[in-house]
Amino acid sequence: AQKVTQAQTEISVVEKEDVTLDCVYETRDTTYYLFWYKQPPSGELVFLIRRNSFDEQNEISGRYSWNFQKSTSSFNFTITASQVVDSAVYFCALTLYNQGGKLIFGQGTELSVKP
Amino acid sequence: DVKVTQSSRYLVKRTGEKVFLECVQDMDHENMFWYRQDPGLGLRLIYFSYDVKMKEKGDIPEGYSVSREKKERFSLILESASTNQTSMYLCASSPRGSGGFYNEQFFGPGTRLTVL
Repeated sequence: AQKVTQAQTEISVVEKEDVTLDCVYETRDTTYYLFWYKQPPSGELVFLIRRNSFDEQNEISGRYSWNFQKSTSSFNFTITASQVVDSAVYFCALTLYNQGGKLIFGQGTELSVKP
Repeated sequence: DVKVTQSSRYLVKRTGEKVFLECVQDMDHENMFWYRQDPGLGLRLIYFSYDVKMKEKGDIPEGYSVSREKKERFSLILESASTNQTSMYLCASSPRGSGGFYNEQFFGPGTRLTVL
C-alpha cells in the first residue's frame, strides 16, 4: 500500500531561522510523482513543487529547496531564512502512474514562524 | 489565474439532511476532485472525475455521491448527512494536458461543513 508520512505535526521557529519539513513515502511502484502544497490560514492549498521518480535532482526556488532521495524514500523541504508569511500547514503528497491522478497526502506539518 | 470556487465557506446542516456542495472551475480542466480534510489525517480523496458524466471512487466514498453534468462543475452530495461527516471539504481541478494525470491540482478555498 502507498503511504506518505510527515512525522512533524507542528514546528515553531523564530523568523530568519532555517527549517526543514520531512516527508517519507512508501510505494512499490517505480513511476510516481511527489508534490508539496502550502495551506495558509485562508484554507486554499497552493502548489509548490512537483517531482517525478526519475528526477532526483534537488531543486531551489528562492528561499525554498527540496531534497529528493529515493534511497531513503524521502522528499524533504527546506525554507531558508524563514519569514512570518511562511506560517502555514504544509502537505507532502504522492501520486502513482496508474492511479488517475489520485493524490495520497501526508498528515501535514503546521509551521509557525514567530517574529 | 486558475480559479476554483466552492459554493459556501461555512455550512451547518442537521443529521439526515441531503447536502449539496458545489464546485466550479473556470479553466476548462478535465479532471476534478473532492477531498475531505480532518486534523491528523491530512486530505483524503472522496471521488474524482476525469470527464463529464464520469466518476471514480476515491479512498472514502461511503456516504457520498457526485455529479458532473458540465465540465466546469463537480458536485458532492451527502445523501443523508451524519455527524461523522463534519469536516472541511476541498475541491480541486487539474488539466489533463501534457502531464497527464500528474499535473498539479488547483484547489478551492474549502467548505467547512458542520452536521448537528
